[in-house]
Amino acid sequence: GQQVMQIPQYQHVQEGEDFTTYCNSSTTLSNIQWYKQRPGGHPVFLIQLVKSGEVKKQKRLTFQFGEAKKNSSLHITATQTTDVGTYFCAGGYNKLIFGAGTRLAVHP
Amino acid sequence: AAGVIQSPRHLIKEKRETATLKCYPIPRHDTVYWYQQGPGQDPQFLISFYEKMQSDKGSIPDRFSAQQFSDYHSELNMSSLELGDSALYFCASTGLAGVSEQFFGPGTRLTVL
Repeated sequence: GQQVMQIPQYQHVQEGEDFTTYCNSSTTLSNIQWYKQRPGGHPVFLIQLVKSGEVKKQKRLTFQFGEAKKNSSLHITATQTTDVGTYFCAGGYNKLIFGAGTRLAVHP
Repeated sequence: AAGVIQSPRHLIKEKRETATLKCYPIPRHDTVYWYQQGPGQDPQFLISFYEKMQSDKGSIPDRFSAQQFSDYHSELNMSSLELGDSALYFCASTGLAGVSEQFFGPGTRLTVL
Protein backbone atom coordinates (compact mmCIF):
# COMPACT_ATOMS: atom_id res chain seq x y z
CA GLY A 1 0.00 0.00 0.00
CA GLN A 2 0.87 3.63 -0.16
CA GLN A 3 3.60 4.79 2.20
CA VAL A 4 4.56 8.33 3.10
CA MET A 5 8.00 8.91 4.54
CA GLN A 6 9.09 12.07 6.28
CA ILE A 7 12.46 13.30 7.45
CA PRO A 8 13.98 14.35 9.70
CA GLN A 9 12.24 12.81 12.70
CA TYR A 10 13.44 15.59 15.01
CA GLN A 11 14.90 19.03 14.45
CA HIS A 12 16.27 21.35 17.08
CA VAL A 13 16.95 24.92 16.00
CA GLN A 14 17.82 28.23 17.59
CA GLU A 15 15.14 30.85 17.28
CA GLY A 16 15.71 32.73 14.04
CA GLU A 17 17.18 29.74 12.17
CA ASP A 18 15.42 28.15 9.23
CA PHE A 19 13.76 24.72 9.25
CA THR A 20 12.84 22.28 6.51
CA THR A 21 10.99 18.98 6.58
CA TYR A 22 10.78 16.63 3.60
CA CYS A 23 8.10 14.20 2.60
CA ASN A 24 8.30 11.35 0.07
CA SER A 25 5.59 9.05 -1.16
CA SER A 26 5.99 5.57 -2.60
CA THR A 27 3.31 6.40 -5.17
CA THR A 28 2.15 9.46 -7.08
CA LEU A 29 -0.11 11.61 -4.99
CA SER A 30 -3.27 13.36 -6.19
CA ASN A 31 -2.69 15.95 -3.51
CA ILE A 32 -0.70 16.47 -0.33
CA GLN A 33 -1.75 18.19 2.85
CA TRP A 34 0.32 19.55 5.70
CA TYR A 35 -0.77 19.60 9.32
CA LYS A 36 0.73 20.97 12.51
CA GLN A 37 0.19 19.35 15.88
CA ARG A 38 1.20 21.24 18.99
CA PRO A 39 2.25 19.20 22.04
CA GLY A 40 -0.90 17.81 23.63
CA GLY A 41 -3.04 19.12 20.78
CA HIS A 42 -4.71 17.86 17.67
CA PRO A 43 -3.60 18.11 14.03
CA VAL A 44 -4.45 21.46 12.48
CA PHE A 45 -4.60 21.87 8.72
CA LEU A 46 -2.00 24.18 7.20
CA ILE A 47 -2.31 23.80 3.44
CA GLN A 48 -3.14 21.53 0.52
CA LEU A 49 -1.05 21.24 -2.65
CA VAL A 50 -2.58 19.77 -5.78
CA LYS A 51 -0.59 20.78 -8.85
CA SER A 52 2.73 19.40 -9.99
CA GLY A 53 5.55 21.81 -9.04
CA GLU A 54 3.19 23.95 -6.98
CA VAL A 55 4.68 26.40 -4.48
CA LYS A 56 2.56 28.13 -1.85
CA LYS A 57 3.54 30.58 0.84
CA GLN A 58 1.95 31.45 4.15
CA LYS A 59 3.94 34.23 5.80
CA ARG A 60 7.19 32.51 6.88
CA LEU A 61 6.09 29.05 5.63
CA THR A 62 6.82 27.86 2.10
CA PHE A 63 5.32 24.64 0.78
CA GLN A 64 6.42 22.83 -2.38
CA PHE A 65 4.98 19.90 -4.31
CA GLY A 66 7.41 18.01 -6.53
CA GLU A 67 7.12 17.84 -10.29
CA ALA A 68 6.45 14.11 -10.13
CA LYS A 69 3.91 14.64 -7.32
CA LYS A 70 5.75 12.15 -5.13
CA ASN A 71 7.54 14.53 -2.79
CA SER A 72 6.89 17.71 -0.89
CA SER A 73 8.64 20.03 1.51
CA LEU A 74 7.81 22.61 4.15
CA HIS A 75 10.31 25.37 4.84
CA ILE A 76 10.00 27.79 7.74
CA THR A 77 12.09 30.95 7.59
CA ALA A 78 13.37 32.52 10.80
CA THR A 79 11.70 30.15 13.24
CA GLN A 80 9.91 31.46 16.30
CA THR A 81 9.04 29.70 19.55
CA THR A 82 5.42 29.58 18.38
CA ASP A 83 6.51 27.24 15.56
CA VAL A 84 7.13 24.44 18.07
CA GLY A 85 5.20 21.27 17.29
CA THR A 86 5.12 18.28 15.00
CA TYR A 87 4.63 18.87 11.30
CA PHE A 88 2.95 16.09 9.34
CA CYS A 89 2.54 15.67 5.65
CA ALA A 90 -0.38 13.54 4.55
CA GLY A 91 -1.39 12.08 1.23
CA GLY A 92 -4.60 10.53 0.12
CA TYR A 93 -8.02 11.54 -0.96
CA ASN A 94 -10.60 10.22 1.45
CA LYS A 95 -8.38 8.72 4.09
CA LEU A 96 -5.17 10.50 4.95
CA ILE A 97 -1.91 8.56 5.03
CA PHE A 98 0.34 10.53 7.33
CA GLY A 99 4.10 10.73 7.30
CA ALA A 100 5.84 10.00 10.59
CA GLY A 101 6.09 13.71 11.29
CA THR A 102 8.97 16.03 12.12
CA ARG A 103 9.09 17.28 15.68
CA LEU A 104 10.43 20.82 15.79
CA ALA A 105 11.98 22.28 18.92
CA VAL A 106 12.92 25.97 18.91
CA HIS A 107 15.36 27.24 21.50
CA PRO A 108 15.07 30.93 22.38
CA ALA B 1 -16.65 29.01 15.01
CA ALA B 2 -18.00 25.59 15.92
CA GLY B 3 -15.44 22.81 16.01
CA VAL B 4 -15.51 19.05 16.11
CA ILE B 5 -16.59 17.80 19.51
CA GLN B 6 -15.43 14.52 20.98
CA SER B 7 -16.50 12.84 24.16
CA PRO B 8 -15.30 11.76 26.52
CA ARG B 9 -11.95 13.52 26.50
CA HIS B 10 -10.38 10.91 28.73
CA LEU B 11 -11.36 7.31 29.32
CA ILE B 12 -9.83 4.63 31.50
CA LYS B 13 -10.85 1.01 30.98
CA GLU B 14 -9.72 -2.42 32.06
CA LYS B 15 -8.60 -5.12 29.65
CA ARG B 16 -11.48 -6.96 27.96
CA GLU B 17 -13.92 -4.13 28.69
CA THR B 18 -15.78 -2.15 26.04
CA ALA B 19 -15.64 1.55 25.23
CA THR B 20 -17.71 3.93 23.13
CA LEU B 21 -16.23 7.13 21.75
CA LYS B 22 -18.47 9.84 20.34
CA CYS B 23 -17.83 12.45 17.70
CA TYR B 24 -19.96 15.43 16.73
CA PRO B 25 -18.77 16.93 13.44
CA ILE B 26 -18.88 20.58 12.52
CA PRO B 27 -22.46 21.53 11.55
CA ARG B 28 -23.23 20.74 7.89
CA HIS B 29 -20.17 18.50 7.57
CA ASP B 30 -21.31 15.15 6.20
CA THR B 31 -18.06 13.15 6.33
CA VAL B 32 -16.43 11.80 9.46
CA TYR B 33 -13.04 10.14 9.83
CA TRP B 34 -11.57 8.24 12.77
CA TYR B 35 -7.83 8.09 13.48
CA GLN B 36 -5.77 6.37 16.14
CA GLN B 37 -2.53 7.99 17.34
CA GLY B 38 -0.12 6.10 19.56
CA PRO B 39 2.47 7.95 21.67
CA GLY B 40 5.02 9.66 19.44
CA GLN B 41 3.40 8.26 16.32
CA ASP B 42 1.46 9.66 13.40
CA PRO B 43 -2.33 9.33 13.19
CA GLN B 44 -3.44 6.06 11.61
CA PHE B 45 -6.67 6.04 9.64
CA LEU B 46 -9.30 3.67 11.00
CA ILE B 47 -12.57 4.27 9.17
CA SER B 48 -14.67 6.96 7.53
CA PHE B 49 -18.33 7.68 6.83
CA TYR B 50 -20.07 9.79 4.23
CA GLU B 51 -23.77 10.48 4.50
CA LYS B 52 -24.14 7.77 7.13
CA MET B 53 -22.54 5.09 4.95
CA GLN B 54 -19.07 3.65 5.48
CA SER B 55 -16.87 5.18 2.78
CA ASP B 56 -13.43 3.77 3.53
CA LYS B 57 -11.74 1.40 5.92
CA GLY B 58 -8.21 1.36 7.19
CA SER B 59 -6.38 -0.56 9.88
CA ILE B 60 -9.38 -0.97 12.14
CA PRO B 61 -9.39 -4.16 14.25
CA ASP B 62 -12.39 -6.47 13.94
CA ARG B 63 -13.05 -5.77 17.62
CA PHE B 64 -13.91 -2.19 16.67
CA SER B 65 -17.01 -1.02 14.89
CA ALA B 66 -18.35 2.40 14.05
CA GLN B 67 -21.37 4.07 12.59
CA GLN B 68 -22.68 7.47 11.62
CA PHE B 69 -26.14 8.47 12.70
CA SER B 70 -28.89 10.53 11.03
CA ASP B 71 -27.67 13.69 12.79
CA TYR B 72 -24.17 12.96 11.36
CA HIS B 73 -22.58 12.27 14.71
CA SER B 74 -20.47 9.13 14.82
CA GLU B 75 -19.60 6.55 17.45
CA LEU B 76 -16.61 4.25 17.62
CA ASN B 77 -17.33 1.09 19.58
CA MET B 78 -14.40 -0.85 20.93
CA SER B 79 -14.76 -4.29 22.51
CA SER B 80 -12.41 -6.73 24.21
CA LEU B 81 -10.00 -3.90 24.87
CA GLU B 82 -6.30 -4.70 24.88
CA LEU B 83 -3.38 -2.81 26.39
CA GLY B 84 -2.26 -1.90 22.88
CA ASP B 85 -5.50 0.00 22.28
CA SER B 86 -4.28 2.74 24.60
CA ALA B 87 -3.94 5.77 22.36
CA LEU B 88 -5.41 9.09 21.32
CA TYR B 89 -8.44 8.69 19.11
CA PHE B 90 -9.21 11.59 16.82
CA CYS B 91 -12.32 12.27 14.89
CA ALA B 92 -12.16 14.62 11.91
CA SER B 93 -14.83 16.01 9.62
CA THR B 94 -15.07 17.60 6.21
CA GLY B 95 -17.85 19.29 4.33
CA LEU B 96 -17.13 17.54 1.04
CA ALA B 97 -16.10 13.91 0.83
CA GLY B 98 -12.43 13.49 -0.06
CA VAL B 99 -11.88 17.17 -0.63
CA SER B 100 -9.78 19.68 1.18
CA GLU B 101 -8.89 19.96 4.80
CA GLN B 102 -9.98 17.74 7.59
CA PHE B 103 -10.97 19.43 10.81
CA PHE B 104 -9.79 17.40 13.78
CA GLY B 105 -11.46 17.22 17.15
CA PRO B 106 -9.51 17.47 20.42
CA GLY B 107 -9.31 13.69 20.69
CA THR B 108 -10.22 11.09 23.28
CA ARG B 109 -7.33 9.70 25.29
CA LEU B 110 -8.06 6.04 26.00
CA THR B 111 -6.03 4.24 28.62
CA VAL B 112 -6.43 0.48 28.99
CA LEU B 113 -5.14 -0.96 32.25
